[in-house]
Amino acid sequence: EAGVAQSPRYKIIEKRQSVAFWCNPISGHATLYWYQQILGQGPKLLIQFQNNGVVDDSQLPKDRFSAERLKGVDSTLKIQPAKLEDSAVYLCASTPGPQVAKNIQYFGAGTRLSVL
Amino acid sequence: GESVGLHLPTLSVQEGDNSIINCAYSNSASDYFIWYKQESGKGPQFIIDIRSNMDKRQGQRVTVLLNKTVKHLSLQIAATQPGDSAVYFCAENTGGFKTIFGAGTRLFVKA
Repeated sequence: EAGVAQSPRYKIIEKRQSVAFWCNPISGHATLYWYQQILGQGPKLLIQFQNNGVVDDSQLPKDRFSAERLKGVDSTLKIQPAKLEDSAVYLCASTPGPQVAKNIQYFGAGTRLSVL
Repeated sequence: GESVGLHLPTLSVQEGDNSIINCAYSNSASDYFIWYKQESGKGPQFIIDIRSNMDKRQGQRVTVLLNKTVKHLSLQIAATQPGDSAVYFCAENTGGFKTIFGAGTRLFVKA
């Protein structure tokens, strides 16, 4: 079974530039998550999708971050414009959905973003 | 607010010894807890989970203990191996399939 795919693996940009990350979850997984992981910290939830609908985006900085999952499969996360403090690893995770009792999340390898 | 934290940021053990990684949580309404392992350059990987109606669960070389009275969770790794070197996160599940991760403990295994 293929895992969660993310691209690119690394990205270096200057502040005020824009950047986009892509995630393809495990086939059939209805729930998709984007996390931000700052060095030395645990993952922090940015947004959670159930199919193509947003379940939770309470911690997404909506003035600069946006995410979509238009067809309920793959997803993109965008930052525009980027700030220095956005330097982090951006992780995508997926789960089959709430019909499964256990919320075990399957993570991609992440995209490491450096903002200079 | 809700938080999941860890007592120690780093833990160093000798190969072959047992490791114990601790975690404190604050939301008494949480009913499901998960331990994840994150190796360098990779995303977190599921290790073991436990529901709040249990106080102990065992896997292969790993055991999770839950003490709801003091809101404490621990991960025990038996006969620690070099491949166990990683950062370990406890995660707390609240309603709506929302997961809150702790800051993590880095485990170093000395050969």
